[in-house]
Amino acid sequence: DTAVSQTPKYLVTQMGNDKSIKCEQNLGHDTMYWYKQDSKKFLKIMFSYNNKELIINETVPNRFSPKSPDKAHLNLHINSLELGDSAVYFCASSQSGNGYTFGSGTRLTVV
Amino acid sequence: ILNVEQSPQSLHVQEGDSTNFTCSFPSSNFYALHWYRWETAKSPEALFVMTLNGDEKKKGQISATLNTKEGYSYLYIKGSQPEDSATYLCAYHHPNNQGGKLIFGQGTELSVKP
Repeated sequence: DTAVSQTPKYLVTQMGNDKSIKCEQNLGHDTMYWYKQDSKKFLKIMFSYNNKELIINETVPNRFSPKSPDKAHLNLHINSLELGDSAVYFCASSQSGNGYTFGSGTRLTVV
Repeated sequence: ILNVEQSPQSLHVQEGDSTNFTCSFPSSNFYALHWYRWETAKSPEALFVMTLNGDEKKKGQISATLNTKEGYSYLYIKGSQPEDSATYLCAYHHPNNQGGKLIFGQGTELSVKP
């Protein structure tokens, strides 16, 4: 069983489209995150949810909207995709910030 | 701005060599320092979470030390093997907010040749 699973693994889409990336964790963790791997390969936090409540919202365009229907899921919806949104997006979970478990990443390519 | 810096950026060693990398982080208001191992095309895998000044942790041939007063951590690999080839990330656990957030360094890419 995959502890943190993201779908899809690859996503190729045209500029202007709206797309979603899904994340699910089966570890019973209380906190979930979205990280973006930038062009220099840094992992930078975008959002964090604790028990379905938004805790961290970094300086991210409001075209990006996270949604947490329950503790085990944190989805990322992106509106009006731009070329600069192309990156690898990682979901992660932790129990109150101790030892993160990462998903395998979603490579988004906007053409 | 909170900066986490790792050095060197990349390292090429022969099988059997021992190696070490450095992670520098803000020393004020310290909460925790994480180390991750990240193989190509996989997800980062947690190695250590270190919280106390002087902490030393070990997992197999990999060990880490922590100095919170001066803001650095070392990761050591004794007798590197080709399967140790990966990017090693450290992350400073920012203490604000429930669950906190990790601020990652850029990683040290290790390549171990047979």
